[in-house]
Amino acid sequence: ETGVTQSPTHLIKTRGQQVTLRCSSQSGHNTVSWYQQALGQGPQFIFQYYREEENGRGNFPPRFSGLQFPNYSSELNVNALELDDSALYLCASSVKTGGYEQYFGPGTRLTVT
Amino acid sequence: ELKVEQNPLFLSMQEGKNYTIYCNYSTTSDRLYWYRQDPGKSLESLFVLLSNGAVKQEGRLMASLDTKARLSTLHITAAVHDLSATYFCAVDMSDFGNEKLTFGTGTRLTIIP
Repeated sequence: ETGVTQSPTHLIKTRGQQVTLRCSSQSGHNTVSWYQQALGQGPQFIFQYYREEENGRGNFPPRFSGLQFPNYSSELNVNALELDDSALYLCASSVKTGGYEQYFGPGTRLTVT
Repeated sequence: ELKVEQNPLFLSMQEGKNYTIYCNYSTTSDRLYWYRQDPGKSLESLFVLLSNGAVKQEGRLMASLDTKARLSTLHITAAVHDLSATYFCAVDMSDFGNEKLTFGTGTRLTIIP
């Protein structure tokens, strides 16, 4: 059984640029959620994808967008990067019905300069 | 808006001692999660508590949930150095589970030899 994987591990971008982060869900999981964790804080829910559609969103602006593919993998896109976007981005996969548990990937550390 | 508060934020304790971390949340939910995070790493699931009065134990850690008091506790028994980490509680407000986790602020636990 393959766990949740994310790429890249680390990324450095300049303010104003765009970035795409990728997540492969655990085998058998059809739901992917994305979280942002700033240094010293708890993770914050960005959004969730289920059956290739956004299914719930946290308090993040529209420049944070995502996709889910038929194989349940997912991308997080952030446009017009700001310094405050520097954080660890975590994706978590789960089974939509009755699983009651999310499995987190190793994360992507994004630094915006 | 759901708020999840943990206390203490920082905890330094000697090996062999017992202590409890508290997690309070502001609205009704019967699904609460505990995670562990090592520095620079992702989240490791510790416990999933799905009903009032739920109690789960794994090794030196025991978690409980009181939905009426909107309180969960994580009790550490006879602490050992390997338990040093940041511990997060998270509450799921969704109807079916796995939709959106709201995390607490985290408790940074340091075990001193």
